[in-house]
This record gives sequence, C-alpha cells and structure tokens, in this order.
Amino acid sequence: GENVEQHPSTLSVQEGDSAVIKCTYSDSASNYFPWYKQELGKRPQLIIDIRSNVGEKKDQRIAVTLNKTAKHFSLHITETQPEDSAVYFCAARDTGTYKYIFGTGTRLKVLA
Amino acid sequence: DAGVIQSPRHEVTEMGQEVTLRCKPISGHDYLFWYRQTMMRGLELLIYFNNNVPIDDSGMPEDRFSAKMPNASFSTLKIQPSEPRDSAVYFCASSFLPGAETQYFGPGTRLLVL
Repeated sequence: GENVEQHPSTLSVQEGDSAVIKCTYSDSASNYFPWYKQELGKRPQLIIDIRSNVGEKKDQRIAVTLNKTAKHFSLHITETQPEDSAVYFCAARDTGTYKYIFGTGTRLKVLA
Repeated sequence: DAGVIQSPRHEVTEMGQEVTLRCKPISGHDYLFWYRQTMMRGLELLIYFNNNVPIDDSGMPEDRFSAKMPNASFSTLKIQPSEPRDSAVYFCASSFLPGAETQYFGPGTRLLVL
C-alpha cells in the first residue's frame, strides 16, 4: 500500500519569509495529493490540492508542486504571516480506493 | 450547509465503559471516513463507508472497535470496552462523487479514558 513521508517535522521561519514542506510517496499510481492545515484544537482543513496530471498549482500565497518521476510533492508558502502557524499535513490517495494516507505533519511557526 | 457534525465534542469516561461517537456527514455525500489522531501515530484511518456500506475496516485497531452507518445521514463509532490507550481525538470526514477526492472533516471528538 501507499506510504507517505513528510519533512521537516518542525519549521520556524521569520514573518515574511517563505516556508517549504516536502512529502514523498511510494505508490507511483497515486493520483491525488491534498494538503491540510490544522490549527491547535481544530479540525484539519484543506488548503490546496493537486492531481497527478498537473505539475504545479497556486492559490495566492500558497503553491504546491508535484514531481511524479521522483514521487514527491511540496507545499510552498510565501510571505508567511503569524496566522500561518499551524500543523500542515500532506496526503496521497491510495490507488483504487478513496483512502488518504497522511504524512506525519509539520509544525510551522512563523515568528513575528 | 452546517458541515460535518460530530457529537459529543468531549468525552471523559472510565476504563471498561462503552463509548459511542456520532457523526452526521454533509448532506449528499457518499463517503464517510472515521479517523483517529494521536501525537504518537498521527492521523490514522480507521474505517470508511460508501453509500452506507463499510468498504475498508483494515484500520480498526481491534475487536473492541465497531462502526455502523444505518443511513446516509448518521454513523457511529463504538468502543467497548474502552481502555486508556484509546484516548485520542476522533474525526469523521465525508466526501462525494464525482471525484470523491476532497474530504471535509468534522470538529472531532476528544476522548479521554481514565
């Protein structure tokens, strides 16, 4: 089955700097990769996603890139703000099912 | 739409007691997922349903856990008997076809077993 690894586990950046979180997956047939943001005590919320037929997707300060050959995808946050501080999870959809396999999460701290 | 609804939001119980967690998916959604979140193990999928039918329960940790979906608007996750290691946040999520890709999470139930 699918396996997803996420790095780093914690990330501290200065306000205004960029943050990059990386994930790798094992099943080359996986075709959908969402990113969720979870604030303390809250539910995970989808912030951006990408399908395997697309190499990059952008939504304002957030972008996701996908390298199918290398089986990795990354979340990029530019001009970080204190409200970006949260735990971010990547996931890959298991082939032939609707199961997500989640990464272990990255705790992002944006320092004012 | 109110989104995915879960109850109770918090539950404190003693070891050996039965615990029932409830979920109402978003109206019209075909898929329902139960997850458990802990610091040690992260987000784990326990079971998911399609059109009220359990599709994959391979993540259910042991026979003490059971889940049902008697109709399209209601699901339960039951733990009997509960143990301290079951303490976690339990999330329900739903999604719908076509695509069924985006999963919308409920607010979660924070369970503490003493």
